[in-house]
Amino acid sequence: DTAVSQTPKYLVTQMGNDKSIKCEQNLGHDTMYWYKQDSKKFLKIMFSYNNKELIINETVPNRFSPKSPDKAHLNLHINSLELGDSAVYFCASSLGTGQETQYFGPGTRLLVL
Amino acid sequence: QKEVEQDPGPLSVPEGAIVSLNCTYSNSAFQYFMWYRQYSRKGPELLMYTYSSGNKEDGRFTAQVDKSSKYISLFIRDSQPSDSATYLCAMKKGYQLIWGAGTKLIIKP
Repeated sequence: DTAVSQTPKYLVTQMGNDKSIKCEQNLGHDTMYWYKQDSKKFLKIMFSYNNKELIINETVPNRFSPKSPDKAHLNLHINSLELGDSAVYFCASSLGTGQETQYFGPGTRLLVL
Repeated sequence: QKEVEQDPGPLSVPEGAIVSLNCTYSNSAFQYFMWYRQYSRKGPELLMYTYSSGNKEDGRFTAQVDKSSKYISLFIRDSQPSDSATYLCAMKKGYQLIWGAGTKLIIKP
C-alpha cells in the first residue's frame, strides 16, 4: 500500500494550459505539503495544510492554487502554465505541524513546452 | 545568503570508504536537524534526525550537530553502492523545514 501517492507521475503540456496534480495519503496524517524541486535538486516549500486549513503559503505566483477537500487529499491546480514551472512537484505529509518526519510521494514530473 | 548551505557535489568515493556530508546554517532559531536521502526519481525519505548538539548513531550512519558552530554532519561508514543517492539536510523552523541543496553521493564499486 502506497503511503503518499500522486497522480499523474508525468505531465507534459503546452505553455498557457491549466493542469492539476492530485495527492492522497493513507497514513492518517493531519498535515500535507506541496514542494517544488528544481533541476538543481533544491526543495522549496509552496503550501501546507493542517486539517484542511492553509498554514504555509510561500511566495508563489497566484497561478498556483492548492485545495484540500479533506485531510487525506491535497491537490494543486496550476493556471496558465509557464516554461519556468517545469520541475518535479512533491507532495508530503506529516502527523502534525510539530512532527519532523515528512513522508514524500514519488513526485510529479512536469514539463512545460 | 541562504539559511542552509550544502555543497551539491557530486562526491565520489570508493566502496568501503567513510563518507562525510555537511551543512552549515545561519539561523540560531533552527530546532530539529534532519538528514533525508533521495534516490533518483524518488521522493526524499528521512534517514535521521537530532535535536541537541552531539552525535546520534544508527547502524552505519552517524549524525552530528554542533550548534555553537552552526554545523551538522552525516557520516556513513563502510559505504555501499546502494548508498549512492542525494543527501539533503533539513532544519525545522516553526511549521516548516528549511532545506539544503542536497549533495549527490556516488559510491564506486
